[in-house]
Amino acid sequence: DAGVIQSPRHEVTEMGQEVTLRCKPISGHNSLFWYRQTMMRGLELLIYFNNNVPIDDSGMPEDRFSAKMPNASFSTLKIQPSEPRDSAVYFCASSLAGQSRSYEQYFGPGTRLTVT
Amino acid sequence: ILNVEQSPQSLHVQEGDSTNFTCSFPSSNFYALHWYRWETAKSPEALFVMTLNGDEKKKGRISATLNTKEGYSYLYIKGSQPEDSATYLCAFFTNAGKSTFGDGTTLTVKP
Repeated sequence: DAGVIQSPRHEVTEMGQEVTLRCKPISGHNSLFWYRQTMMRGLELLIYFNNNVPIDDSGMPEDRFSAKMPNASFSTLKIQPSEPRDSAVYFCASSLAGQSRSYEQYFGPGTRLTVT
Repeated sequence: ILNVEQSPQSLHVQEGDSTNFTCSFPSSNFYALHWYRWETAKSPEALFVMTLNGDEKKKGRISATLNTKEGYSYLYIKGSQPEDSATYLCAFFTNAGKSTFGDGTTLTVKP
C-alpha cells in the first residue's frame, strides 16, 4: 500500500485566496483525521471522520475552514479565504478503528501551507 | 480541552544511556493511549497502542507502560542510539474517539 497520500506537498498562496488540501487514506481504513502543526500549538486535531461522516469538528478554528469526505478514499480540507496565520503543516491520518480498539494512525507526509 | 502533558520537553543523552519520559493524561473517559515517534522532516509513526491499565509493550529497545487509574504512561529507551533521536509524542483517546496529542519530548542522542 502506498500509505496515506496528501497533495499538494507544498502550497504558497496569497492572503484571501481559497486553498484546498487533499488526502487519500489507506485503503480499508474507516477513520480519517486532519491535523494542523504549528510551533505555537503543536499538533492539533481539526476534524475527524468515521465511515465518511464527520464525528467531531470542534477543532476547526473558524468558519473559514471546512472539510469533506465524499467517499471512503478521498477527503478535502478547504480554507476560504486564507490568512497568513493559517500557515502551518497540515497532516492527514487514517486508521482502522473498531473492535480492536486500536486507533493507531498512519500519517501522510503533510502539506506545508504558506499564506503570504 | 483535554490536558495531555509530556515531560521533559527535551532531553540530551549520550549514546548507550537509558532514558525515559512521561505522558500525563486525564484518568476519565480513557479509551486508548498511543505513542508516536516523529523524526524531523517526516511524519509521526506509531510505536505503541495501549488500551488496558497495566499494559506493558515492548519493541526492541523501546518499551512503554500504562497506568490509567492515575493517568500516566512511561516510555523507556534502553541503550539509546543516535538513530533514536526524534520527538516522541503521546496521544490520548477518549471513548468518543477524540484524540489529543501532547507537545512531545524531543530526544537527542549524542554519539
